[in-house]
Amino acid sequence: ELKVEQNPLFLSMQEGKNYTIYCNYSTTSDRLYWYRQDPGKSLESLFVLLSNGAVKQEGRLMASLDTKARLSTLHITAAVHDLSATYFCKGAQKLVFGQGTRLTINP
Amino acid sequence: SAVISQKPSRDICQRGTSLTIQCQVDSQVTMMFWYRQQPGQSLTLIATANQGSEATYESGFVIDKFPISRPNLTFSTLTVSNMSPEDSSIYLCSVVREGGYGYTFGSGTRLTVV
Repeated sequence: ELKVEQNPLFLSMQEGKNYTIYCNYSTTSDRLYWYRQDPGKSLESLFVLLSNGAVKQEGRLMASLDTKARLSTLHITAAVHDLSATYFCKGAQKLVFGQGTRLTINP
Repeated sequence: SAVISQKPSRDICQRGTSLTIQCQVDSQVTMMFWYRQQPGQSLTLIATANQGSEATYESGFVIDKFPISRPNLTFSTLTVSNMSPEDSSIYLCSVVREGGYGYTFGSGTRLTVV
């Protein structure tokens, strides 16, 4: 059974700093998804990583996938307050979500 | 990506009653899914809605409690039956187009059972 684990689960950081959210999964998955959820809202698709070594960037967010290590990362560069949200990764098998990382960016 | 209309957006229901949630997509999609998100938690897949056949339920979810219909390639309903306060959650539908990789989510239905 696929398990997807994110860390950290809670992250409070200052504007302008860099940080990384990690997503480990337990069985082979050839693709990995990242989503953003604002409070009281639905999920917004951020990235679809389709193969080993895939790297995608959008603004201050960059996601990567290492299928051999069963690890995906979501890197935040020079954080701004607008990036405060909960971020989820999801595996392709059984569409299992990670626990989510609640990110708070303080001015 | 597909555009999804999910209704109702929220409801407050009495225990023992049932609520049907609708998910309408603006284009034909192969796969439709229903998720539950309990307060402060992640999303859990309830079932995959299959057009023309019974839904495929995940472990811990049963058809009697969460009957699902999918009469065509653009529409699905999820019913939460015989509700109890433990069913208070956000329910979301999600779709992916055939040959596509990106999943789109509906706006969600916030259900409170009193």
